[in-house]
Order: sequence, then C-alpha cells, then structure tokens
Amino acid sequence: EADIYQTPRYLVIGTGKKITLECSQTMGHDKMYWYQQDPGMELHLIHYSYGVNSTEKGDLSSESTVSRIRTEHFPLTLESARPSHTSQYLCASSYRVSPLHFGNGTRLTVT
Amino acid sequence: AQSVSQHNHHVILSEAASLELGCNYSYGGTVNLFWYVQYPGQHLQLLLKYFSGDPLVKGIKGFEAEFIKSKFSFNLRKPSVQWSDTAEYFCAAPARQLTFGSGTQLTVLP
Repeated sequence: EADIYQTPRYLVIGTGKKITLECSQTMGHDKMYWYQQDPGMELHLIHYSYGVNSTEKGDLSSESTVSRIRTEHFPLTLESARPSHTSQYLCASSYRVSPLHFGNGTRLTVT
Repeated sequence: AQSVSQHNHHVILSEAASLELGCNYSYGGTVNLFWYVQYPGQHLQLLLKYFSGDPLVKGIKGFEAEFIKSKFSFNLRKPSVQWSDTAEYFCAAPARQLTFGSGTQLTVLP
C-alpha cells in the first residue's frame, strides 16, 4: 500500500506570507515530484527530484522552491505567497521505473 | 463522490496490435477528462484531454480517445502500438478534486 502524505490538506493564507507545503513518503522511493493543478485543468510538473540533494524544475515555471535533504521528505516553499499561487499542489513519488503514487494534495488559497 | 475506474490493470500486446484501454467515470457535473502516460522512470505526461466539443479527441503519438456521455466512458485507443508505448496509462477526471484511475500497465512485446 502506498504511503505518501501531504500536509496541510487545505491552507488559506494572506498575500506576502511564507508557506511550506509538506510531503513525506514512507516507501523509500527515490523519485519525488510536485505537480500543480488548477480546478478542472491538467497537471503541470513544477519540480522533481531523483534522489537526495537532487532537484530540478519541471515543465511549468514556478516561483516555488524545493529541497530534498532526506529521501522521504520533499517540501515545497513559497517565500511570498500571491493570489496567483492559488491552486492545488500534488506530491507524488515513485521507485525507479514504478508507477507514481500520489498524495491527497494541498489546496492553497492566497487571499 | 466522483470516481474514475480503469478496468484493465495490465495489458500485454504485440507490436502493431490495436489498443483500447477502458476508463469510466462517475461525475455529474461538467466533465473534463484526461489521459496521462508515465514512461518507465519518468514523470507523468499529458496524452490528451477533453473539455467539450468533438467527443473524439486526438492526442500525441497517435493516441485518441472517445468521450461517450451515455456510457460515462473515455476509452483510450491507438490503431497500432509500438514497443515504445510500453508505459503506465492513467485516466483522470480532475474537477473540484483530482481523481485518477488506478492506472493500466501496457507492455508491448517487440
């Protein structure tokens, strides 16, 4: 059974605040990903990591940053949130060539 | 609650065979439907999407899908598969909340 956790599930925050979205997996997966999804729209890859201390930007430009200090942890940070960051953020992980396992997502609203 | 069902968990085909992967959704509102592909070791990529209009949607790499509202289906098709189509295929219906199917592993034998 896949175990990948995202917190918080929902977040409403004011403009200019710094936020960190947490993502952890207990499966020892080497690859982790962050996707952004607006309601009713497709996923966009914003960051990915193929291992510890390895991070890359995805297909969609994002003002967020990520870190991968531990295998199981892949947090995403926005230094100064803006209303344009309002979206759903999905974390996923996989091991080598195995299929992705998704977290339940964080729905972010910036007011 | 909305759900997306993919009934084929693993499909094995020979090259040049035709492909059809089933996807059924249960959602009563505006339906946006997607097929994604994940090649071994890579992230998800969008194959095709349906928002409205022509129910037959053409995507990349020769894939197409047909939205049949009466059957709540959005099956993925390709007339002739190639070895390079070996991948995991996900149907998704992201409306208010992302909903993915469980995926179908396609293996194409050379």
